[in-house]
Amino acid sequence: DTAVSQTPKYLVTQMGNDKSIKCEQNLGHDTMYWYKQDSKKFLKIMFSYNNKELIINETVPNRFSPKSPDKAHLNLHINSLELGDSAVYFCASSQDSSGANVLTFGAGSRLTVL
Amino acid sequence: GQNIDQPTEMTATEGAIVQINCTYQTSGFNGLFWYQQHAGEAPTFLSYNVLDGLEEKGRFSSFLSRSKGYSYLLLKELQMKDSASYLCAVVDSNYQLIWGAGTKLIIKP
Repeated sequence: DTAVSQTPKYLVTQMGNDKSIKCEQNLGHDTMYWYKQDSKKFLKIMFSYNNKELIINETVPNRFSPKSPDKAHLNLHINSLELGDSAVYFCASSQDSSGANVLTFGAGSRLTVL
Repeated sequence: GQNIDQPTEMTATEGAIVQINCTYQTSGFNGLFWYQQHAGEAPTFLSYNVLDGLEEKGRFSSFLSRSKGYSYLLLKELQMKDSASYLCAVVDSNYQLIWGAGTKLIIKP
């Protein structure tokens, strides 16, 4: 059973389009995250939700809108895609919102904006 | 500001030992993680140190010195499958996770 699953794995789209990435975890964790990893492999946190409530919202353009319908799901919607949005987006979960917990990552969604 | 430094890339030989260093300057400290990330895959947990000293897990060991703001990951009996990026991450005083840029380890036969 996949612990953290995200779809789609690959996404190729044109500038200006809107796209969504979905994430689900079956670990019973309270906290879920979206991370962005650019071409230099640096992992940068974007958002964190704890029991469906937003707790971390880093400096991210408001074209990015997360949504957590329940604590097992965290989706990411991106409006008006730009070239600089090309990256791998990782969903992750942890037992609770303390940074001292182990993160379990999904396999990543590689977004390419043309 | 908060800063984590790791070498960008290292090369080692199959069967050898390699040490990947991580130095940090953060607002407080509540632990340090090492994650492994193979190319095109997700990061996976390797180790967590919160007290000074060496923790060993099979071929991998992780060391922490809080007074020096320093950690290292030691990989013994290197195998080709150990070729990956190794990410150091520190938990600060607010229990936020601060990530290093990662060290790409290349293993040669």
